[in-house]
Amino acid sequence: EVQLVESGGGLVQPGGSLRLSCAASGFTFSSYWMHWVRQVPGKGLVWVSHISDDGSSTSYADSVKGRFTISRDNVKNTVYLQMNSLRAEDTATYYCTTHYSDSSAYADWGQGTLVTVSS
Amino acid sequence: DIQMTQSPSTLSASVGDRVTITCRASQSINRWLAWYQQKPGKAPKSLIYDASSLKSGVPSRFSGSGSGTEFTLTISGLQPDDFATYYCQHYKSYSPTTFGQGTKVEIK
Repeated sequence: EVQLVESGGGLVQPGGSLRLSCAASGFTFSSYWMHWVRQVPGKGLVWVSHISDDGSSTSYADSVKGRFTISRDNVKNTVYLQMNSLRAEDTATYYCTTHYSDSSAYADWGQGTLVTVSS
Repeated sequence: DIQMTQSPSTLSASVGDRVTITCRASQSINRWLAWYQQKPGKAPKSLIYDASSLKSGVPSRFSGSGSGTEFTLTISGLQPDDFATYYCQHYKSYSPTTFGQGTKVEIK
């Protein structure tokens, strides 16, 4: 059974930093691209970033480019999202996801971790 | 960028009803379309991918159809557990993804 468990969320002041982690199990982690998606309370789903299976390719939404960095450790089966220069508008629940073996659609989601940026 | 537009935004229905949600893409996306269900306070759950393929374990009352720019999610015989918000998503290998704004299915 695929399991994705996010951690690292919390309350941070504007301009601060947080690192989110997503621990994966139940599948061959090193063979799958991983993604972060966020959701502002009461709003819709928004793609944030993704990273290739070997970590050589990354991409970011314009709203986080230059502030967030995605990375992965294929030994620890974990994907990370380093978030710097946080803004109030980054307040959201952050989900990690992965795709199907035969499709780029998202197959499985973590439970999410809430990031609150506030003074 | 490709925009995804869902309709309606809110849908009122009764248990047993047949419910259809539409998702339109601003340009052709072949069949690269997925559907997700989300309940309040919970993570999204994957339902359908590649426009019409049902994820293993998802009840067969859920079905998807369409290609190009117009897609539908149909729930045949709405169950109490189906009251939730549904999102469509356009995806493509190695590319950023786009979600629709969501359709809330509520009890009539």
